[in-house]
Amino acid sequence: IAGITQAPTSQILAAGRRMTLRCTQDMRHNAMYWYRQDLGLGLRLIHYSNTAGTTGKGEVPDGYSVSRANTDDFPLTLASAVPSQTSVYFCASSDRTGDSPLHFGNGTRLTVT
Amino acid sequence: AQRVTQPEKLLSVFKGAPVELKCNYSYSGSPELFWYVQYSRQRLQLLLRHISRESIKGFTADLNKGETSFHLKKPFAQEEDSAMYYCALGWANNLFFGTGTRLTVIP
Repeated sequence: IAGITQAPTSQILAAGRRMTLRCTQDMRHNAMYWYRQDLGLGLRLIHYSNTAGTTGKGEVPDGYSVSRANTDDFPLTLASAVPSQTSVYFCASSDRTGDSPLHFGNGTRLTVT
Repeated sequence: AQRVTQPEKLLSVFKGAPVELKCNYSYSGSPELFWYVQYSRQRLQLLLRHISRESIKGFTADLNKGETSFHLKKPFAQEEDSAMYYCALGWANNLFFGTGTRLTVIP
């Protein structure tokens, strides 16, 4: 089934540890995004990629890094997790940037203790 | 700065009653506006976008540039409409989301 796959579904992580959230899409979409969803704050963009080989910073990029080595994969890395990064993380893709509808993954629930 | 405001965190209506979820935006250009919905245990998905001027699941949303609003409306709410609704503004390489409104339709 075409779509976006995120892994893991959930994770409990000790502060200071490194963690990579995985995201894979099979729709050949050019653009991919990482959002975090927090109660009362909605969804906020962390990083995005317009096409393979390029990335950009969103609203809340600090503490996160991404890479886009190919069209399908867009991993999000927390180099040294902190409790404020406890959140639900959503990966999304679209066939263009900006005004195109986004297709979302199921999310990763991350708890940093 | 681009911004989307959804003033209601929670909204409850009775089945069959009209429902309106409010969304206001701030943007100096011509906005691309969307409504996304997240049903229980499902992924976030597009409900409708203003340029399509369509009705999805009985919902409509009209862009009012004078009031900078994009309210989502449905004349008769159904129980299956209970969900989290997000208004979003598309600009450049970003989609700015509001904080969301959780709609509960009471049987």
